[in-house]
Amino acid sequence: AQTVTQSQPEMSVQEAETVTLSCTYDTSESDYYLFWYKQPPSRQMILVIRQEAYKQQNATENRFSVNFQKAAKSFSLKISDSQLGDAAMYFCAYSDAGNMLTFGGGTRLMVKP
Amino acid sequence: GAGVSQSPSNKVTEKGKDVELRCDPISGHTALYWYRQSLGQGLEFLIYFQGNSAPDKSGLPSDRFSAERTGGSVSTLTIQRTQQEDSAVYLCASSLGTGRFGGYTFGSGTRLTVV
Repeated sequence: AQTVTQSQPEMSVQEAETVTLSCTYDTSESDYYLFWYKQPPSRQMILVIRQEAYKQQNATENRFSVNFQKAAKSFSLKISDSQLGDAAMYFCAYSDAGNMLTFGGGTRLMVKP
Repeated sequence: GAGVSQSPSNKVTEKGKDVELRCDPISGHTALYWYRQSLGQGLEFLIYFQGNSAPDKSGLPSDRFSAERTGGSVSTLTIQRTQQEDSAVYLCASSLGTGRFGGYTFGSGTRLTVV
């Protein structure tokens, strides 16, 4: 079975600084997708960024980028120029042909003004 | 609709009672998923519907949990004889075909509290 691990229960960053959230996963599949989701207090999961495993190039969405290390099964999220609105729970997730998402335990990100 | 709608937003029930949670997916989305999020935890997969195929029930924690999807649209998750450990946020998501390609859209969940 696939597993996703987030080793940082909480992280803190100063506004305008950069922070990296860690994620590792375990799978025997070669074709899969990886995701980072943001969950604000409203509870709705919001997609931040998505990476296709067969693409070597790291995905980027504005201030959000990933460091995808396929051999190491590592998928970290870098948030640049952190803003107060970035404060939330962040979840790393995995999906393959089974189609459902497998989530990590989450990292609570706090942004200090 | 414009998004995935879940009702009720919050539900408090007494131990031993049955509860029904509703999910109204985005119109035209063929796939629908239910997840459970216990306090301070990640999301745990419960059940997955795809079109007219038999649902994947592999995540349901016990036979007290069941779900149906009528007409390929609205889904209801039923928990019978609720227990305190059932207290959690229940999130629904839908996707157009294969979610990992087209993206999953989540609702805001139902917070269930069993007292």
